[in-house]
Amino acid sequence: AQSVTQLDSHVSVSEGTPVLLRCNYSSSYSPSLFWYVQHPNKGLQLLLKYTSAATLVKGINGFEAEFKKSETSFHLTKPSAHMSDAAEYFCVVTRVRGGYNKLIFGAGTRLAVHP
Amino acid sequence: GAGVSQSPRYKVAKRGQDVALRCDPISGHVSLFWYQQALGQGPEFLTYFQNEAQLDKSGLPSDRFFAERPEGSVSTLKIQRTQQEDSAVYLCASSRGQGAYSDYGYTFGSGTRLTVV
Repeated sequence: AQSVTQLDSHVSVSEGTPVLLRCNYSSSYSPSLFWYVQHPNKGLQLLLKYTSAATLVKGINGFEAEFKKSETSFHLTKPSAHMSDAAEYFCVVTRVRGGYNKLIFGAGTRLAVHP
Repeated sequence: GAGVSQSPRYKVAKRGQDVALRCDPISGHVSLFWYQQALGQGPEFLTYFQNEAQLDKSGLPSDRFFAERPEGSVSTLKIQRTQQEDSAVYLCASSRGQGAYSDYGYTFGSGTRLTVV
């Protein structure tokens, strides 16, 4: 069965410092992995996705993630946090079922950015 | 429309009341999903439509939950005899793709926050 574990429920950083949001996955086959961001009262927005091409994936707003099969990890990073990055972040793995992708979400990590 | 539209944005229901939540996907999107997001948790899959066909309803928590998409566009999620544990944000997502390996992404709506009192 596919699942994701987000290792931190809350992360707090200062503006301008690096961001690291950790995610481990479990999958019986090569997964597709995503990171989504959710700002208050807004829809989920795709940050980036890994689909078995390059293991280092670059996304929007300066975020990137590295797929490490040996560690079953897909951590999200950003070199320098902005205040606007404060939001809830979800690591997602897909489960292929009946010819379509079902998204399996982690519990989320709330990122706080302080001046 | 430009995005996935959900209505109402907020709904307060008395326990035992029936509710109907609407999702208006992006025009032409074949796939439509409903997810339930409880407070402090990630979204959980409820059901999936491909056009008007409901191909997967394995995530619906009980037979009080019913979803339809009769003409392959707008979808309605109905909850009968609401209970307090139904309080959550209900998210709708649509996609142009229909295959398992489609490269088309998913567009999520802003959700309907249901509070059962």
